[in-house]
Amino acid sequence: QQQVKQSPQSLIVQKGGISIINCAYENTAFDYFPWYQQFPGKGPALLIAIRPDVSEKKEGRFTISFNKSAKQFSLHIMDSQPGDSATYFCAARMNRDDKIIFGKGTRLHILP
Amino acid sequence: ETGVTQSPTHLIKTRGQQVTLRCSSQSGHNTVSWYQQALGQGPQFIFQYYREEENGRGNFPPRFSGLQFPNYSSELNVNALELDDSALYLCASSRLAGEDEQYFGPGTRLTVT
Repeated sequence: QQQVKQSPQSLIVQKGGISIINCAYENTAFDYFPWYQQFPGKGPALLIAIRPDVSEKKEGRFTISFNKSAKQFSLHIMDSQPGDSATYFCAARMNRDDKIIFGKGTRLHILP
Repeated sequence: ETGVTQSPTHLIKTRGQQVTLRCSSQSGHNTVSWYQQALGQGPQFIFQYYREEENGRGNFPPRFSGLQFPNYSSELNVNALELDDSALYLCASSRLAGEDEQYFGPGTRLTVT
């Protein structure tokens, strides 16, 4: 049972463009939604996270949009750069349970 | 760098063998979680240890076991290895169970032949 569904599987964006990755969840008990960035040979690193009482969170070029009624959230990378080329994972966690449930990942490639 | 280290980097084992993977957390991080990341997939939670006690387990069989030591190091042991156990094994540490940010190590790539 996949509790967090992520799309697309892969994404190619021109330098300077906007990269958008979408996720949907099923369990309304989730109350923490992080995004992780993973480079080859490295472990995932927390990029940005949001809680369901907020509809949008922005940190630099990275923005999470959250739609609680639709049970969807997305990551927007503005002014995408070649250094942003990595695999991105959306995830979810319940407050009382520290287990993080990851999506399957999106491999992002930014063309120079 | 996250300050979380794992060893070895790569490992090749034969089906049926046993393996021990090691993780060294940041000083002061009392919680360690282990994840299995199959190729092309997201990490899957195996279990978590808090102050040397198991504090939650994912959908993995008992042949996956762990230990956590007072010096912020921990182990993941897998018995009776199967081909499907081939994956990247990640540990992640945090100060407290339930804390938002977990710091991941670089992982150990296990290949079972």
